[in-house]
Amino acid sequence: AQTVTQSQPEMSVQEAETVTLSCTYDTSESDYYLFWYKQPPSRQMILVIRQEAYKQQNATENRFSVNFQKAAKSFSLKISDSQLGDAAMYFCAYRSGAETSYDKVIFGPGTSLSVIP
Amino acid sequence: DGGITQSPKYLFRKEGQNVTLSCEQNLNHDAMYWYRQDPGQGLRLIYYSQIVNDFQKGDIAEGYSVSREKKESFPLTVTSAQKNPTAFYLCASTIRQGARYGYTFGSGTRLTVV
Repeated sequence: AQTVTQSQPEMSVQEAETVTLSCTYDTSESDYYLFWYKQPPSRQMILVIRQEAYKQQNATENRFSVNFQKAAKSFSLKISDSQLGDAAMYFCAYRSGAETSYDKVIFGPGTSLSVIP
Repeated sequence: DGGITQSPKYLFRKEGQNVTLSCEQNLNHDAMYWYRQDPGQGLRLIYYSQIVNDFQKGDIAEGYSVSREKKESFPLTVTSAQKNPTAFYLCASTIRQGARYGYTFGSGTRLTVV
């Protein structure tokens, strides 16, 4: 069974600085997708960025980028020029790309990010 | 605008009562999911449904029940058999076999036992 691990329960960053959130996962599949979701205090889950396992190029969305290391099964999120609105819980997530009996998303336990003014 | 609507936002349940959480989507998504969120434990899957009139248990289905009579609706009933129902509940949906798209989430329901 696939698992997702986030080893940093809490992190903090100074406004305008850069922070990296770590995520590792375990799978025997070769076809899958990885996601980072953001959950601000409103508790609305927001998709931040997505990475297809078959793509070697790291995904980027404005100030958010990932470092995808497939062999190491590592998927870290880098937030550049941190803003107060980035303060949230961040979840790393995995989804199989194969046509399995169900294609649920598996979430890590989350990292709580604080942004210091 | 398309999206997922969960209601109510806050729900209080007395001991021994069944309560139903509503989840409605107008995205024409095939698959719908219910997750439970507890502090420090991330999201855990309760039930999911890929087509109308069909659903499967997730990892923590005991004490919960669902129905999928319409494509747009996937209500979750928290029964009296659920020993510790106080939690935040999230409904999500996606296109079937749309792994690359991840989920669209509702805004959640906070259930508290009083």
